[in-house]
Amino acid sequence: DAKTTQPPSMDCAEGRAANLPCNHSTISGNEYVYWYRQIHSQGPQYIIHGLKNNETNEMASLIITEDRKSSTLILPHATLRDTAVYYCIVRSGGSNYKLTFGKGTLLTVNP
Amino acid sequence: DTAVSQTPKYLVTQMGNDKSIKCEQNLGHDTMYWYKQDSKKFLKIMFSYNNKELIINETVPNRFSPKSPDKAHLNLHINSLELGDSAVYFCASSKGDSSNSPLHFGNGTRLTVT
Repeated sequence: DAKTTQPPSMDCAEGRAANLPCNHSTISGNEYVYWYRQIHSQGPQYIIHGLKNNETNEMASLIITEDRKSSTLILPHATLRDTAVYYCIVRSGGSNYKLTFGKGTLLTVNP
Repeated sequence: DTAVSQTPKYLVTQMGNDKSIKCEQNLGHDTMYWYKQDSKKFLKIMFSYNNKELIINETVPNRFSPKSPDKAHLNLHINSLELGDSAVYFCASSKGDSSNSPLHFGNGTRLTVT
């Protein structure tokens, strides 16, 4: 699976949009981009995933660049409860489903 | 109505003991996993089972033995516990091993070996 690069930490004001970047320059054509987050002392939580097109769900939006070498997770109105480590993961479809977690980005939402 | 539940939440034991962690999912998923999160917070996959069959076995000491009595359960038995086994162990499940369905994680079991 392709490796990803994320900033180690980011801050965001409560109520503002949080934009979390992820670089995956070695991504191949059949690899999906996944985002998970881990709130302190809890298990990782799935947020969103996509292949080529931008995606939106009730939690967030995922913007993937046209060359697919980077993506941005957008939390439109961050709340204090969104403070967590956010993981960007790239994996291919098919068998031996294996998510490889990196270090992620610690997002701190400030009041 | 917890989707993926693990027991116990905390486990403190001495070196050399044998212990088990249980995991159950009520999502009807085919695939279950065990992940380990060490003190540096890295999450690493240990095992994956699909329809009770082992499909992923990372480089894990054979003191760790997963057992899947049915699709809804994946237990982790650890023999001869060592200090380095101290970590948080997460169980997860997903809908099949070849789909792109997301993983659903439990809230972890914090194992402390003294």
